[in-house]
Amino acid sequence: DAGVTQSPTHLIKTRGQQVTLRCSPKSGHDTVSWYQQALGQGPQFIFQYYEEEERQRGNFPDRFSGHQFPNYSSELNVNALLLGDSALYLCASSYWDKRLIQPQHFGDGTRLSIL
Amino acid sequence: GNSVTQMEGPVTLSEEAFLTINCTYTATGYPSLFWYVQYPGEGLQLLLKATKADDKGSNKGFEATYRKETTSFHLEKGSVQVSDSAVYFCALKDNYGQNFVFGPGTRLSVLP
Repeated sequence: DAGVTQSPTHLIKTRGQQVTLRCSPKSGHDTVSWYQQALGQGPQFIFQYYEEEERQRGNFPDRFSGHQFPNYSSELNVNALLLGDSALYLCASSYWDKRLIQPQHFGDGTRLSIL
Repeated sequence: GNSVTQMEGPVTLSEEAFLTINCTYTATGYPSLFWYVQYPGEGLQLLLKATKADDKGSNKGFEATYRKETTSFHLEKGSVQVSDSAVYFCALKDNYGQNFVFGPGTRLSVLP
């Protein structure tokens, strides 16, 4: 049973470029969340997708956008990259849970470096 | 808003020592509380959870009790091993959304 898989594992971009990161959720999961983890810090919530719609969003600018596909996989897009966007980007999946108690399962992340 | 505070690291212990990592939170209502662990080069793994007051989560010798009166969820282990060396994150999920709020993490190093 595959867990959460993310691609690529590492990526190097320059300022002003655009990037797309990909995530496949754990088998059976229908909800995908994205987090940004700067070096030495805890993950910060970017947004969450369920039923191909953005359901919640954290305090991130519109340069950060996403998409969820019918097979529940997801993409994170970042436009006009800044040096401060350098971080580990984590994808997490779970069941959509109205009781709000289900934990999220995390992928190993994509390390994005901006030069 | 919701927030999680953890004791600053790094924490360095000798093998078989007792571990406590403090975690306190601020949230409305009755959040669910979690501890995640991150090994070098990897994503976060769920270590344990508690969903209501006085619940005790436990896994792999680690324990944490949901204390609503002190808004705390301290992580403990009676005898740490070198393999426990990692970064530990306390997190909460409130009653209004599906996302998590994480603390800054505490790095634990266990020496043989």
